Amino acid sequence: SAVISQKPSRDICQRGTSLTIQCQVDSQVTMMFWYRQQPGQSLTLIATANQGSEATYESGFVIDKFPISRPNLTFSTLTVSNMSPEDSSIYLCSVEDWEREASDTQYFGPGTRLTVL
Amino acid sequence: RKEVEQDPGPFNVPEGATVAFNCTYSNSASQSFFWYRQDCRKEPKLLMSVYSSGNEDGRFTAQLNRASQYISLLIRDSKLSDSATYLCAVNSGGGADGLTFGKGTHLIIQP
Repeated sequence: SAVISQKPSRDICQRGTSLTIQCQVDSQVTMMFWYRQQPGQSLTLIATANQGSEATYESGFVIDKFPISRPNLTFSTLTVSNMSPEDSSIYLCSVEDWEREASDTQYFGPGTRLTVL
Repeated sequence: RKEVEQDPGPFNVPEGATVAFNCTYSNSASQSFFWYRQDCRKEPKLLMSVYSSGNEDGRFTAQLNRASQYISLLIRDSKLSDSATYLCAVNSGGGADGLTFGKGTHLIIQP
């Protein structure tokens, strides 16, 4: 499977500020997604990062709060804007590669652990 | 009704025993099913995809029951290293959709 890295691995931020998380893959992939895992909870899909067009957001998530970019097939960013303590979570990117695997199997990056004070 | 449900456990199982988890899903149109393993403070790692015919990988066996809308994971001859949270994931659309996860089942293998 593709090797996925995320930056930063963790951060502590003040409320009202914004943080941009980067997801880099070592090869071109078909799909990239962003998830959130709040403390003690499972993963919740935030959005699908579409290359060359606006991301597709799930119910409860909006572009103003979580702007996403995907300029090419190996890279995506998620910004958590105007942060509040409720945004403290682990943010994970995942990828699907339809060309390498004839399936919709997703592989996850190591995650970014965000704490908002 | 939650889309994907799992018994959170914890399941405390002696080493060497066999343990099984189920996961139910509500969307009958769901197409793809997966089991992930998540260790504490780590990302989920794919354990198995779940095929209609069932599949086996060493000590792990996954089954899909479409009629009753559940998937199962069986672990035989459990090892201490099997202690983790096991997440069930379902893709209800095509490959362009993300996954819906259950809350996970916490497994503790005891020596």
